[in-house]
Amino acid sequence: AQSVTQPDIHITVSEGASLELRCNYSYGATPYLFWYVQSPGQGLQLLLKYFSGDTLVQGIKGFEAEFKRSQSSFNLRKPSVHWSDAAEYFCAVGHGSSNTGKLIFGQGTTLQVKP
Amino acid sequence: DAGVIQSPRHEVTEMGQEVTLRCKPISGHNSLFWYRQTMMRGLELLIYFNNNVPIDDSGMPEDRFSAKMPNASFSTLKIQPSEPRDSAVYFCASSSPGQTRMDFGPGTRLTVT
Repeated sequence: AQSVTQPDIHITVSEGASLELRCNYSYGATPYLFWYVQSPGQGLQLLLKYFSGDTLVQGIKGFEAEFKRSQSSFNLRKPSVHWSDAAEYFCAVGHGSSNTGKLIFGQGTTLQVKP
Repeated sequence: DAGVIQSPRHEVTEMGQEVTLRCKPISGHNSLFWYRQTMMRGLELLIYFNNNVPIDDSGMPEDRFSAKMPNASFSTLKIQPSEPRDSAVYFCASSSPGQTRMDFGPGTRLTVT
């Protein structure tokens, strides 16, 4: 069965520092992979997604993620974190088939940004 | 584009009462999803519809939960009777054909006392 693991429940970085949030997935076929961000009291906003092609994906707000099939990973990165990036981040995997549209989410990583 | 619309945004009810959550997906999206978010269990998929037809309801906790999608622009999630352990944030999401984009609503925060 598909699953998503985000090993880090909570991460604290200083403003201006680089960021990497880890995500590992388990899926038999080619996965659709997503990163979402959730600010307190808000819904989920899509940061970026990977379906196929270039394994380095650019998203909104300066985020990027790299799909590494050999490591079953899809880590999220940002070169310089801003205080407004403090939020909860979710990695998700979707079925490869276009008919299902079902996403399995990781448990989330809470990002705290120190001034 | 107004995005996915959910109502109410907040609901406080007493145990045993019926609760109905509503969702209007983005026009043109053919898949609709209901998720529940709690601290303990994270984001759980309850049920999803494709072209108004329920495809997978294996995540629905028990018979107290039911969901309908009478047309392409409206869905409801009903809990009857509600229990305190149903307290959570319930999200509705919709996606377009081929799952190229999935949008979440702002959620309904349900508190059952």
